[in-house]
Amino acid sequence: NAGVTQTPKFQVLKTGQSMTLQCAQDMNHEYMSWYRQDPGMGLRLIHYSVGAGITDQGEVPNGYNVSRSTTEDFPLRLLSAAPSQTSVYFCASTPGPNQPQHFGDGTRLSIL
Amino acid sequence: ILNVEQSPQSLHVQEGDSTNFTCSFPSSNFYALHWYRWETAKSPEALFVMTLNGDEKKKGRISATLNTKEGYSYLYIKGSQPEDSATYLCAFPAGKSTFGDGTTLTVKP
Repeated sequence: NAGVTQTPKFQVLKTGQSMTLQCAQDMNHEYMSWYRQDPGMGLRLIHYSVGAGITDQGEVPNGYNVSRSTTEDFPLRLLSAAPSQTSVYFCASTPGPNQPQHFGDGTRLSIL
Repeated sequence: ILNVEQSPQSLHVQEGDSTNFTCSFPSSNFYALHWYRWETAKSPEALFVMTLNGDEKKKGRISATLNTKEGYSYLYIKGSQPEDSATYLCAFPAGKSTFGDGTTLTVKP
């Protein structure tokens, strides 16, 4: 059972570059979310999805896009990377709102 | 997005001490509350799902209680061990799942 798989694990970008963080889950979970974790700030919700074709903004959505064309995949796109987006990014999934989330191993992203 | 607050921010205890920390949340429109354990360099892992007022859940030396009327949940660790050192998070459910900033517990041998 792979669970929630995030790729890549590490990435260094230059300011202005774009990239996509991949997230895939094999548990047929409807709900998927992206979080960023910054020192001293816990987990902040970027975007989330309650099913294929449905996405919505979280607390800190600016500078990020998402799409959910399939149940399994929920990619996060950085349109034009900025140093303020240097962070650790976690993807999570859950079958429903009252079930706990399963987290991927995280992607450590540095923007120079 | 519902705000969740945790206290204290950090806690340092000696091995064998018992400890507890708090998660506070708005008492209206309550669905459920989740507790997670987050070890350094790993991902958060679910500990408990609390749904009913008065709920009490237990896993080994760790237990949690819930008061939805007054909007708080307590997490207790009995006889802390160094391996309990982690950040403990509480959260409201997904989709707009809001996490508290966590309580970081350090247990000294």
